Formats: sequence, structure tokens, C-alpha cells
Amino acid sequence: AQSVTQPDIHITVSEGASLELRCNYSYGATPYLFWYVQSPGQGLQLLLKYFSGDTLVQGIKGFEAEFKRSQSSFNLRKPSVHWSDAAEYFCAVGPYSGAGSYQLTFGKGTKLSVIP
Amino acid sequence: DAMVIQNPRYQVTQFGKPVTLSCSQTLNHNVMYWYQQKSSQAPKLLFHYYDKDFNNEADTPDNFQSRRPNTSFCFLDIRSPGLGDAAMYLCATRNDRRLEETQYFGPGTRLLVL
Repeated sequence: AQSVTQPDIHITVSEGASLELRCNYSYGATPYLFWYVQSPGQGLQLLLKYFSGDTLVQGIKGFEAEFKRSQSSFNLRKPSVHWSDAAEYFCAVGPYSGAGSYQLTFGKGTKLSVIP
Repeated sequence: DAMVIQNPRYQVTQFGKPVTLSCSQTLNHNVMYWYQQKSSQAPKLLFHYYDKDFNNEADTPDNFQSRRPNTSFCFLDIRSPGLGDAAMYLCATRNDRRLEETQYFGPGTRLLVL
């Protein structure tokens, strides 16, 4: 069965500093990989996704992520964090389950706090 | 411009009193999902509809049911809510006709059980 590990439960960074959120997955084949962001009391917003091709993917809000097959990782990065980036971030894997469909398995999330 | 709408945003119910949560979409997506997210935890898939076909996750309690009367609407029924069912319930949709389409999430309904 597929699984996602986000080793950092809570990260605090200063505004303007760089950010890297870690994500490791376990899956037998090439997975579909996603990063979602959730503000308090809100639903999930897709930041970026990886299906195939270029292993460095660009997303919204200045985020990017790099798929590293050898490390089973899909880490999320941002060069300069803004106070509005404070939220919870979820990494998810979506294996192909036939008929063009897939299900999402989420990591437990990393809560990001930003110090002014 | 709301694409996935969930009503109500907050729901308070009593222990054992049936409750229904609603999800509607303007995207005409053929797949609709229901997730349960407890405090400080990852969203957990309860079930999904692929067109009219209902797909239940193996560990979803029988207490949770769903209905999809048409493409646009999907309901989550909790027959006898317990205190452990207090959570955020997220609805998501996806156009499964295109392989690389992602899931679009609604804002969620937070359920409180008294």
C-alpha cells in the first residue's frame, strides 16, 4: 500500500527566509505527487503536482517541488517566505488505480509558522 | 466563481441524531469524493462516486452513507453521530475523463457533536 511521510510536524521560519518542506513516499511504481495547502478552517488548495516529465515543477504562490526517484522524495521549496504562507501543507500521492482514476493518500501535514 | 460548494460550513448535532452534509459542484466533474479530517490529522478518504457508481473504502464505518442524486450534488449522511465523528468533512471533485486532472476541494463542513 502507498504511504506518505512528512517528517516535520511544525516548522517556524522568519519572513523572507527560504523554506523546504520534506515529503517521502512509498509506492511500487511512479506515483502522481501533489502538494496542497490548507489555511485554518479552509479546504485544500493545490499548490503543484507531478505526473511525469520534468522533475522540477513550478506551482502557484512561488512554490516549487522536485521529484527525486532515487530518494522517493518530493520536497516543497520557496526561496522567500511571506507571512501569508503560514498554513498547513500536505503532501499526497495518487497511484493509478485503473480506468483513468486515482485516489489520494495524504501525509499528516506540516504546519508552517512565519515570524515577522 | 465557487466551484465546489459545501453546506453548511459549520454543523452542530446531538449525539445519535442523524445529520446530512451537502456538496455541490459547478464543474460537471464525474467523480466526487468525501474525506474526513480530524484535528491535526491528514484527510482520510471515506468513499467516492465514479459517475453513479459508489465506491466505499474498506475501513469506512457503516454509520456513514452517501447519496448522489445527480452529477452536481453529493450528500454525506451520518446515521448516528458519535463524539468521535466530530471532524472537518471535505468534498472534492475530479474530471476523470482526463488522466492528469486533479481533485478540487470544497471549503469543508466542520461538524461538532454534542
